[in-house]
Amino acid sequence: TQLLEQSPQFLSIQEGENLTVYCNSSSVFSSLQWYRQEPGEGPVLLVTVVTGGEVKKLKRLTFQFGDARKDSSLHITAAQPGDTGLYLCAGPLNRDDKIIFGKGTRLHILP
Amino acid sequence: DTGVSQDPRHKITKRGQNVTFRCDPISEHNRLYWYRQTLGQGPEFLTYFQNEAQLEKSRLLSDRFSAERPKGSFSTLEIQRTEQGDSAMYLCASSLSGYTGYTFGSGTRLTVV
Repeated sequence: TQLLEQSPQFLSIQEGENLTVYCNSSSVFSSLQWYRQEPGEGPVLLVTVVTGGEVKKLKRLTFQFGDARKDSSLHITAAQPGDTGLYLCAGPLNRDDKIIFGKGTRLHILP
Repeated sequence: DTGVSQDPRHKITKRGQNVTFRCDPISEHNRLYWYRQTLGQGPEFLTYFQNEAQLEKSRLLSDRFSAERPKGSFSTLEIQRTEQGDSAMYLCASSLSGYTGYTFGSGTRLTVV
């Protein structure tokens, strides 16, 4: 059973378009993180959201944590080819626990 | 500090051989984690250490797998009698306890032939 479900699995869009990817669970998480991973490399932390309803912005990326702390979304404005990669959400079920990952959304931005 | 280092980056081994991977975490980080990632999947938790103590092991970690972190610094992950199903990317990460943002290494890609 996958505790964190990410959708869509794959997304291919044109440069300049906007997109949103989702991370959902039936469980409550104490926090959620988003990572980006490029082929042959380890995941790189983008952001951690902690409070239900929290919104964080990182340049063209906007991250939101659901009010009930069971879901999160990542919105990218004006996507660029450099945004291409595997986007993973992850979180600990309990504070100070190890994190578990979703399967990721593979994003491809076409120039 | 140059981040989390993993060695080797790639390993090809014959089925039945033993392999050992090394991870050097960020020096101030007291927690060290091992994950395994196969194609099309997110990383799966294997085990983690706080200082030199191994605090949790996943059921994925069969008896052929053993991990150590002597003196709470670097860690090794050994796989004995490798099988083709062990082929994967093995990722190491480190963090400070109480903080859930991890720093990952570049991983060791294992291919069992």
